[in-house]
Amino acid sequence: AQSVTQLDSQVPVFEEAPVELRCNYSSSVSVYLFWYVQYPNQGLQLLLKYLSGSTLVESINGFEAEFNKSQTSFHLRKPSVHISDTAEYFCAVGISGSARQLTFGSGTQLTVLP
Amino acid sequence: DGGITQSPKYLFRKEGQNVTLSCEQNLNHDAMYWYRQDPGQGLRLIYYSQIVNDFQKGDIAEGYSVSREKKESFPLTVTSAQKNPTAFYLCASSPRPLAGAYNEQFFGPGTRLTVL
Repeated sequence: AQSVTQLDSQVPVFEEAPVELRCNYSSSVSVYLFWYVQYPNQGLQLLLKYLSGSTLVESINGFEAEFNKSQTSFHLRKPSVHISDTAEYFCAVGISGSARQLTFGSGTQLTVLP
Repeated sequence: DGGITQSPKYLFRKEGQNVTLSCEQNLNHDAMYWYRQDPGQGLRLIYYSQIVNDFQKGDIAEGYSVSREKKESFPLTVTSAQKNPTAFYLCASSPRPLAGAYNEQFFGPGTRLTVL
């Protein structure tokens, strides 16, 4: 079975500073990887995904993540954060052909400070 | 607008009562899912359904039940057997993946259930 570890439960960072949210996974087969964002009392929104091809994937609001197969990681980065990036971020892994589809990490609360 | 609706947004129930959470989607997705979210634990899968009239238990199905009589609807009942039902419940849907392909899950806004 696959699993996902998000190493930091809370990440405070000042506005305009860079940030990295860490995600490691374990799986014996090929995986698909996702980052979702959740604002308070809302559902999850897809931020970006790795399915195949280029290992560096980007979102429309400046986040990027790099799939590193040897390190089994999919860390999320942004070079300069804004107050509006304050949210909880979830890493998820999926297995091709798996009916249940996704396994989620425990989440990282990103708080951007003025 | 296409999307997933969950109602109500907030729900309060007395201990020992069954309660049903609604989830409707108009995305024409085949698969639907129910997750439970607790602080610091991420999302845990309760039940999922790939087609009408079929569903499977997830990791924490005890104390919950579901039905899938229509493609667009996947209601979740929290029964009195669920020992700690207070949580945030999220419904999601996705298209049925083609062989070798993968589809993202789309989430509803959630229902916060508080059992008093």
